[in-house]
Amino acid sequence: EVQLVESGGGLVQPGGSLRLSCAASGFTFSSHSMNWVRQAPGKGLEWISYTSITSAIIYYADSVRGRFTISRDNAKNSLYLQMNSLRAEDTALYFCVRDSTQWPYYFDYWGQGTLVTVSS
Amino acid sequence: EIVLTQSPATLSLSPGERATLSCRASQTVSSYLAWYQQKPGQALRLLIYDASKRATGIPARFSGSGSGTDFTLTISSLEPEDFAVYYCQQRNNWPPLTFGGGTKVEIK
Repeated sequence: EVQLVESGGGLVQPGGSLRLSCAASGFTFSSHSMNWVRQAPGKGLEWISYTSITSAIIYYADSVRGRFTISRDNAKNSLYLQMNSLRAEDTALYFCVRDSTQWPYYFDYWGQGTLVTVSS
Repeated sequence: EIVLTQSPATLSLSPGERATLSCRASQTVSSYLAWYQQKPGQALRLLIYDASKRATGIPARFSGSGSGTDFTLTISSLEPEDFAVYYCQQRNNWPPLTFGGGTKVEIK
């Protein structure tokens, strides 16, 4: 069974940092590109970052570029999101999302999310 | 950036009724459009990809259609478990990957 389990969320002050982790199991992690998607309370979905299988290709949404860093460790079946210079508008539920293996790579599995709250 | 506009924002229907959800793109996305279902406390689920292909395990009552800029998700006969929020997403021209604002299907 495919499982994506996020952790690392919590309450952080504006300007602070947080590192999210996603533990993957039930599939060959190194065969899938991965993403982070977030959802602010009561709002819709926002894609924020993508990493290819080898991390050779990485993309960010404009809203987080320069502040967030995506990374992965295929040996540990894990995806990470380092979040710096956090703002109130970064408050959201953060989802770890797997891409399918067939182009154009839809989001075929989602984690349940970890909540990040940025507030003083 | 491709903007996806979903309508209506809320659809109030009874079990057994037909639901028709719309997703319009600001420019062509060819057929590279997906639909996802979100229910409280559950992981999001991929329903439809490539505009009209059902994902693994998705019941036949869910169908997708369209290409270019106009897409439709149809639920032929609503089951109690289908009341949820539905999002469309394009994968034709990215980054950024973009989602529609969502349509909530609620019980009338």
